[in-house]
Amino acid sequence: KQEVTQIPAALSVPEGENLVLNCSFTDSAIYNLQWFRQDPGKGLTSLLLIQSSQREQTSGRLNASLDKSSGRSTLYIAASQPGDSATYLCAVSLMEYGNKLVFGAGTILRVKS
Amino acid sequence: NAGVTQTPKFRILKIGQSMTLQCAQDMNHNYMYWYRQDPGMGLKLIYYSVGAGITDKGEVPNGYNVSRSTTEDFPLRLELAAPSQTSVYFCASRRQGGSPLHFGNGTRLTVT
Repeated sequence: KQEVTQIPAALSVPEGENLVLNCSFTDSAIYNLQWFRQDPGKGLTSLLLIQSSQREQTSGRLNASLDKSSGRSTLYIAASQPGDSATYLCAVSLMEYGNKLVFGAGTILRVKS
Repeated sequence: NAGVTQTPKFRILKIGQSMTLQCAQDMNHNYMYWYRQDPGMGLKLIYYSVGAGITDKGEVPNGYNVSRSTTEDFPLRLELAAPSQTSVYFCASRRQGGSPLHFGNGTRLTVT
């Protein structure tokens, strides 16, 4: 059974710092991996999608990498801002019928001004 | 495009009552999913659908039912509500398995 773990559970950093969020998964047979952002009381917003054949994706100050063989992904946020404060979740799509997503519990990020 | 629309935003139910959570998407997506999110936990899959007329159980389907009569709509039915069903419910959709997943804003349900 696929399990997704995110470390750390919470992170507090000063504004301007570069930071890395970690995601690990137990079964390397995935279709893709997606990083989401969730603001309090809101739905999830897709940040980056990495297909299983890709190694990384970039969008603005965000860079996500994928190492399928070791079951790891990282989300790198450059020059963090208070507006980046949110919960970040990663999810893997399974190869099987329906391509269901399995989510990690998330990392709560607080960027202090 | 409205994206994925969920109604209602909030609801309080008494134990044993029933209700339907509505979900509609206007992106012509084939795949639709219902998740629940409990505090400090990841999202758990309740039911999913890969197209109109096709539905399948997810990880936590007990106490719920779904239907998918059209591509656009994917309602979630709660029968005989229980306190364990207090949660935030999210509907999501995507065009196919390799596409990004789009979420609605959620329905916050309390059962007392």
